[in-house]
Amino acid sequence: NAGVTQTPKFQVLKTGQSMTLQCAQDMNHNSMYWYRQDPGMGLRLIYYSASEGTTDKGEVPNGYNVSRLNKREFSLRLESAAPSQTSVYFCASTLLGQGFTDTQYFGPGTRLTVL
Amino acid sequence: AQSVAQPEDQVNVAEGNPLTVKCTYSVSGNPYLFWYVQYPNRGLQFLLKYITGDNLVKGSYGFEAEFNKSQTSFHLKKPSALVSDSALYFCAVRASGGYNKLIFGAGTRLAVHP
Repeated sequence: NAGVTQTPKFQVLKTGQSMTLQCAQDMNHNSMYWYRQDPGMGLRLIYYSASEGTTDKGEVPNGYNVSRLNKREFSLRLESAAPSQTSVYFCASTLLGQGFTDTQYFGPGTRLTVL
Repeated sequence: AQSVAQPEDQVNVAEGNPLTVKCTYSVSGNPYLFWYVQYPNRGLQFLLKYITGDNLVKGSYGFEAEFNKSQTSFHLKKPSALVSDSALYFCAVRASGGYNKLIFGAGTRLAVHP
């Protein structure tokens, strides 16, 4: 079991460039999440997908789009990167539903710098 | 408004001494509370959670947390700190509205000195 995997680990972009961050989980979880981590601010939810085929905005969705490709994969896209999107991005997953304890499991993160 | 506060940016403790990392929360309804730890250049690792039941919750690596409803607190504790416990610790609460969305505190850096 690899758990939650993310690619790439590091990325440097120029302002205006686009890129997609990939996330996959092999725990048969139904819900997946994208967070960003900034110093002194903890983690903030960007988007989430409660189940395959659904996505919803979190706390800070502006400038991002997501795709729940299948049950395993949940990607985050930056269409036109801005320096304010320099951050560490984490993907997480959980098994959501009655009777489950809803603990989220996190990937190793992607460190993104936008110049 | 729902929120989590970790009032200390950093906690310093000597190895072998007890440690406490503080967390207070504000949420409507019964709180679901979590502690995560982040080691340098790593993702977050789950430590423990409070859903219901005993106010003292035991977790991984010898950590425990005490839920106090009247003080709306969920402080993380360990009786004897190790140098290897040095890391960034996050408290989180499940937000209302379903789908297990989490609200995180800003994090507390724990430094354990030999």
